[in-house]
This record gives sequence, C-alpha cells and structure tokens, in this order.
Amino acid sequence: QKEVEQDPGPLSVPEGAIVSLNCTYSNSAFQYFMWYRQYSRKGPELLMYTYSSGNKEDGRFTAQVDKSSKYISLFIRDSQPSDSATYLCAMSPLILTGGGNKLTFGTGTQLKVEL
Amino acid sequence: EPEVTQTPSHQVTQMGQEVILRCVPISNHLYFYWYRQILGQKVEFLVSFYNNEISEKSEIFDDQFSVERPDGSNFTLKIRSTKLEDSAMYFCASRKGTGGRSSYNSPLHFGNGTRLTVT
Repeated sequence: QKEVEQDPGPLSVPEGAIVSLNCTYSNSAFQYFMWYRQYSRKGPELLMYTYSSGNKEDGRFTAQVDKSSKYISLFIRDSQPSDSATYLCAMSPLILTGGGNKLTFGTGTQLKVEL
Repeated sequence: EPEVTQTPSHQVTQMGQEVILRCVPISNHLYFYWYRQILGQKVEFLVSFYNNEISEKSEIFDDQFSVERPDGSNFTLKIRSTKLEDSAMYFCASRKGTGGRSSYNSPLHFGNGTRLTVT
C-alpha cells in the first residue's frame, strides 16, 4: 500500500461547481497536512496547511482532516477557470527538532474548470 | 510577497557532466530543501538542510549529489556525474523557523523549479 494515495483524475467540472479533492494515507505518524496547487511547469504553491482534525477554511477553500480514517479533503467552492491546475496533497510527521518536515506527496489530481 | 527563486529555469547537459542548480530561499527562512519531480510522477524529497548541515536525505540522494550554502543567500544542489534518469524538475523549498516548538509549524514554500534534461 502506498503511503499517500490520490486519485490522479483528470477531474472536469463546470464553473461555479463545488470541487472535492481527496487523499488517503497509511502512515499514522503523519500529523501535518498541506494542499498545494501546481500550474503547468511551475512549482507547488501552498494553499492550506493544518495539523488538526476537523475543518479549516480560507476563502473559497476548505481543508478537512479525519485522522481516525486517515483521510483528508480539499473543497473548492464557486470554482473558477483559474482554479484549473494540479492539486497536490502533502503530509509529514510532526518533528520536534529542527530540520525535519520531510513531505510525502500524493501523485496530484488534475482539475479542469470549464466555462 | 517574498518567493523562492531558482536558476536556471532549464538546464540541458550531457550524461556524465556535472551540474549545479541554484536557489535563493526566502530571506528570513532557516530550513532548506531540494525535491524533484520526474515527468508524470509525484514530487519526491531529496534532502533537507539546516544550520549548515544536512539534516535528512532520501535514498535517492546518493554520493553523486551534494548541497551547499556557500554564502548567506544561495543554496545549491550539485550532481557530480549526471545520468539519464536524473532528468526531472528540481524544486528548491524553504521554510522559516525560529527554533523551539514553533520550528515545525511553518509550511514549505517552493520555487518554480529547474528542468534538468540529461542527454
């Protein structure tokens, strides 16, 4: 079983739709969860991060973590064509000493928001 | 907003040659990283660097790879003798941290990468 699993898509939705992106993980040491957006030929751009179970909201984006199920989600409300990108989940153990924070990434989900 | 910058954006080299990929992390960040992404595959951790030494490295980061922070602003990745399978996007990342319990809370910020093509 892979440490982090993410449906690669592609996922195509109409403008204005609610998008749900998901990752599952197997390593219970993961405590710190991030979502990155990656446009073609660009680096990952941080969208949200959290280390708590539950929901965290930032504008049109909501990150949800369920540690008991080892399942994380990113919801995008009122999706726009500019949201078309690849969305990467990433996670790491919490490191109590400096220098850690090695991230394990999912494969990314390709999203296309159509007019 | 401050950002991580990487140069060059694209590097083409012949197999067996040495390459140096350069990064300027965000100025008040203390932790530095290299990741790579082979075309069509996921982003993979290579190495983390803190306080002028490697803090963790992956099995990919063998003796052909080295990192250096030669001055107060640059962070470099050197591949001594490139192989065809080194062709990938290489991303530099950094995060801030002042030490203590807060040092692990800050997320990574990535540059736009260097596309390395080994022929």
